[in-house]
Amino acid sequence: SAVISQKPSRDICQRGTSLTIQCQVDSQVTMMFWYRQQPGQSLTLIATANQGSEATYESGFVIDKFPISRPNLTFSTLTVSNMSPEDSSIYLCSVEDYGELFFGSGTQLSVL
Amino acid sequence: GQQLNQSPQSMFIQEGEDVSMNCTSSSIFNTWLWYKQDPGEGPVLLIALYKAGELTSNGRLTAQFGITRKDSFLNISASIPSDVGIYFCAGQLSSNFGNEKLTFGTGTRLTIIP
Repeated sequence: SAVISQKPSRDICQRGTSLTIQCQVDSQVTMMFWYRQQPGQSLTLIATANQGSEATYESGFVIDKFPISRPNLTFSTLTVSNMSPEDSSIYLCSVEDYGELFFGSGTQLSVL
Repeated sequence: GQQLNQSPQSMFIQEGEDVSMNCTSSSIFNTWLWYKQDPGEGPVLLIALYKAGELTSNGRLTAQFGITRKDSFLNISASIPSDVGIYFCAGQLSSNFGNEKLTFGTGTRLTIIP
């Protein structure tokens, strides 16, 4: 099974700033996904990141707000830009490996 | 868009009790999945269901894929303290996981009363 390292594990940020979240996988994977989990809520897919192409964003999420990089098959970053308190959530990286979806432990973001 | 409603939203039980939760959809799914999320962790897959009517067990956990393909059930027998967490159902239109996003349910928070 894929092992995912996500960092930072948590951060407290000021509004108007940006935070970049890193996701490292211990094996090469084709598809990586970024999810948002708002307080007490379910998981919502932000975008799918494939190596060598632009990320595909879900309805309600845009590249200017959540730029994603996928430089190789083991690494991806998600940036939360120009943050506001409404961006306070857990952000989760996940990968598909042998037909199963594995998740990182998440980044708990609080925006003041 | 598709929505998955889970019930109950939360459960407070005593150790040793059996637990039942379900997930209903406004539309059909061809794959149902059940995940558990511990505090400070990402969700972990418990059981995957790929066929309508399928009943699958994983230790004390049993899940069923509803005949209508619009619902699924998860049962936990003889609950223990490590069962505490949030349980999510997830549905997928494809019957072959890989290239299609999952739709997650609203979650059931399980708490065990000492």
